[in-house]
Amino acid sequence: QITLKESGPTLVKPTQTLTLTCTFSGFSLSSSGVGVGWIRQPPGKALEWLALIYWDDDKKYSPSLKSRLTITKDTSKNQVVLTMTNMDPVDTGTYYCAPNRSGWFGWFDPWGQGTLVTVSS
Amino acid sequence: QSVLTQPPSVSGAPGQRVTISCTGSSSNIGAGYDVHWYQQFPGTAPKLLIYGNNNRPSGVPDRFSGSKSGTSASLAITGLQAEDEADYYCQSYDSSVTGSKVFGGGTKLTVL
Repeated sequence: QITLKESGPTLVKPTQTLTLTCTFSGFSLSSSGVGVGWIRQPPGKALEWLALIYWDDDKKYSPSLKSRLTITKDTSKNQVVLTMTNMDPVDTGTYYCAPNRSGWFGWFDPWGQGTLVTVSS
Repeated sequence: QSVLTQPPSVSGAPGQRVTISCTGSSSNIGAGYDVHWYQQFPGTAPKLLIYGNNNRPSGVPDRFSGSKSGTSASLAITGLQAEDEADYYCQSYDSSVTGSKVFGGGTKLTVL
């Protein structure tokens, strides 16, 4: 059974850097073809893909947020970490992580429960 | 403004059939990239409903089906049930710029 859980601060101040951790079980990020992605959702709004990291350390970022994002993995700990710099109130929302299936053109399944991040001074 | 366009809302009575459209362009759906669909209930994480245009994961009722044609895709729900009331999102890949996974703006399904 695959499970994922996101963790990190619930409140960050504008201009600060957000660091979120996705801890997973049921699969290994050292296995060929495996990837983990981050997706966010502002309150009442649509889903937005942020970043993706593969077993071979290949990384993909949303073009609109690329300058602010860094995704890394710790295979030994079964964790994927996302950092987002220069946080703004518009970055408030629920942040999800999920395994990416079937490569760059694939889907996310299953999703973690999400973690709500509020950006406010 | 989402790259993939969905109607903000659709509705139907129990037992009816409803469809939710997902309209893209030549750099995503029209280029042949697969479309995937998610179902999301309030306060919960999205759940995969359809992958690869028309494939249902184990456990998803066959009342849900997907299709794709040209620059658009559709999710159809037959035999509508009250428990189907949720938000639905399409997702694909867009090859413009450096490439990106993209989501639709979401559709709220109301069961009357």
